[in-house]
Amino acid sequence: TQLLEQSPQFLSIQEGENLTVYCNSSSVFSSLQWYRQEPGEGPVLLVTVVTGGEVKKLKRLTFQFGDARKDSSLHITAAQPGDTGLYLCAGEVVTSYDKVIFGPGTSLSVIP
Amino acid sequence: SQTIHQWPATLVQPVGSPLSLECTVEGTSNPNLYWYRQAAGRGLQLLFYSVGIGQISSEVPQNLSASRPQDRQFILSSKKLLLSDSGFYLCAWSPRAGPQHFGDGTRLSIL
Repeated sequence: TQLLEQSPQFLSIQEGENLTVYCNSSSVFSSLQWYRQEPGEGPVLLVTVVTGGEVKKLKRLTFQFGDARKDSSLHITAAQPGDTGLYLCAGEVVTSYDKVIFGPGTSLSVIP
Repeated sequence: SQTIHQWPATLVQPVGSPLSLECTVEGTSNPNLYWYRQAAGRGLQLLFYSVGIGQISSEVPQNLSASRPQDRQFILSSKKLLLSDSGFYLCAWSPRAGPQHFGDGTRLSIL
């Protein structure tokens, strides 16, 4: 069974703090996505990483794909209340239909 | 650009009633289509996926079914809803090789 684990499950921080959330698996992925979801809405794609060791930056968000393409991290600098939401990682497994598995998510709350 | 529409946004149904949730995609051809259910504030459970018209694969046995009558239309159905069918349902599309993009979801409450 292919699983994606995310840690921490819940995170509550003050505005201005930095944080890192992690996504780990024993499986190798051809690509990995990070999504952010607000309550009552669908997940919104933030980034796709495809190369082992790749680092992508999106304003205050930094995404890294592990060298072995089994894990990833999301680092947020100077968190703002607008960063509040559920962060989901999803790994694409190479199969006949390019199966994607989702992690359980990290629920982030940034307190003003 | 591609867009995905999912409706209704919220739905309240009595136990034993039928269900039909619809999802359509615009601006692309021959997409992969997906139905997910999400527990409150948690991860996604894949219910069905489709790689083409009339081609449906089910990931988990359940009270629901899916159909794809047209290339960019995906329908989630049930003949008789159970209390356990309550939840947040998400439709998504992806190109043959690429990330999934989600609709805004349907909040289904069973009374």
